[in-house]
Amino acid sequence: DAKTTQPNSMESNEEEPVHLPCNHSTISGTDYIHWYRQLPSQGPEYVIHGLTSNVNNRMASLAIAEDRKSSTLILHRATLRDAAVYYCILGLEAQKLVFGQGTRLTINP
Amino acid sequence: GAVVSQHPSWVICKSGTSVKIECRSLDFQATTMFWYRQFPKQSLMLMATSNEGSKATYEQGVEKDKFLINHASLTLSTLTVTSAHPEDSSFYICSARGRLAGGPNTQYFGPGTRLTVL
Repeated sequence: DAKTTQPNSMESNEEEPVHLPCNHSTISGTDYIHWYRQLPSQGPEYVIHGLTSNVNNRMASLAIAEDRKSSTLILHRATLRDAAVYYCILGLEAQKLVFGQGTRLTINP
Repeated sequence: GAVVSQHPSWVICKSGTSVKIECRSLDFQATTMFWYRQFPKQSLMLMATSNEGSKATYEQGVEKDKFLINHASLTLSTLTVTSAHPEDSSFYICSARGRLAGGPNTQYFGPGTRLTVL
């Protein structure tokens, strides 16, 4: 499985944008980039995924580097409810997800 | 849409007993279900993948005779922890992927079941 590298933790302020980086230098051409997040004592929640082009949905935006060796999850206006562990995961279409350690995001009021 | 439920949400049992955890996709047909385990302050570890009507595929190091998985229908998968011991205490999470729910790239996770073995 191709590996991802994420910062262990990040901190941001409420109502400010948050940029969560993910490095995946060994990504293959067919690997999708998935983002999930996990709130305390809950199961993970799907956030967004993409292959080559930038993606937007109601939760976040995913910016993918042109060489696909890195990506950034963007929360446009963080709220306290966005405090969670965010996981960046590579995977082939319809294949299993292997979770790394993720980034623990803290939002300050 | 795309809701996955788990039952029970928590369970406490004595060492040596067996515990069954149910995972249901409530509003879509789950062609594939996954079972994960998560210890405190650690990430999720994939235990097994199951497709409806076929035997589960277990990850390396996961004992298939200890963690019995049944995926008998497109909406239900069960994980039975047999002869549970204190080291099996963990947060067990299922996820499901289906034909209509977000396409093949999206997994929907249940809320998890916290198992404590005394």
